[in-house]
Amino acid sequence: QVQLQESGPGLLHPSQTLSLICTVSGGPLDAGGNYWNWVRQHPGKGLEWIGFVYKGLSTQYSPSLNSRATISMDASKNQFSLTLTSVTVADTAVYFCARLLTGSPAGMDVWGQGTTVIVSS
Amino acid sequence: SYKLTQAPSVSVSPGQTARITCSGDGLSRQFAYWYQQKMPGQAPVLVIYKDTERPSGIPERFSGSTSGTVATLTINGVQAEDEADYYCHSADYSGSYWVFGGGTTLSVL
Repeated sequence: QVQLQESGPGLLHPSQTLSLICTVSGGPLDAGGNYWNWVRQHPGKGLEWIGFVYKGLSTQYSPSLNSRATISMDASKNQFSLTLTSVTVADTAVYFCARLLTGSPAGMDVWGQGTTVIVSS
Repeated sequence: SYKLTQAPSVSVSPGQTARITCSGDGLSRQFAYWYQQKMPGQAPVLVIYKDTERPSGIPERFSGSTSGTVATLTINGVQAEDEADYYCHSADYSGSYWVFGGGTTLSVL
């Protein structure tokens, strides 16, 4: 059974770079049809898709992040990560990592518990 | 940029049918996925994938459909435990990126 766990700093100052790691257990990161995603939720708001990495070969990102996000993976450690540059208070949110399957079943079937990130001066 | 539009809230009585819609131009070409989130900050749960399919463990009262550019999540015989926020999720028409709808809060009165 695949499980995900986010880790990273809970507090940053504006203009700093956010780095989060998602550790995957119970399955390989480079399995076909497994897309590894980051999703965030601002306080009191809805879900926002940030992007995904697939087999370390391809990535897609939300245009709303204006190229500030980078998602990468380290298959040897069974981890994938999110780097978000030039953070502002608007990046304060709960950040989730999630697996998106494209076969059957499909969709984001496994999620981490989420990690809270606060950006404050 | 691409948007998926959901009504902010839907209210039903226990035992009734709830219908939550999601509209977006890309839905005529891309599959819709639906997630249930019981509390903000809590990990969502996938309840419908590829427009109509129900994952293992999701009650049969949950179903999905799509017609043109509108996807619908239907919950038959709503129970108090179904009270939650529901989000649709899909890719833009070309499949370049994904978005979530704004979410619909289902209240069971």
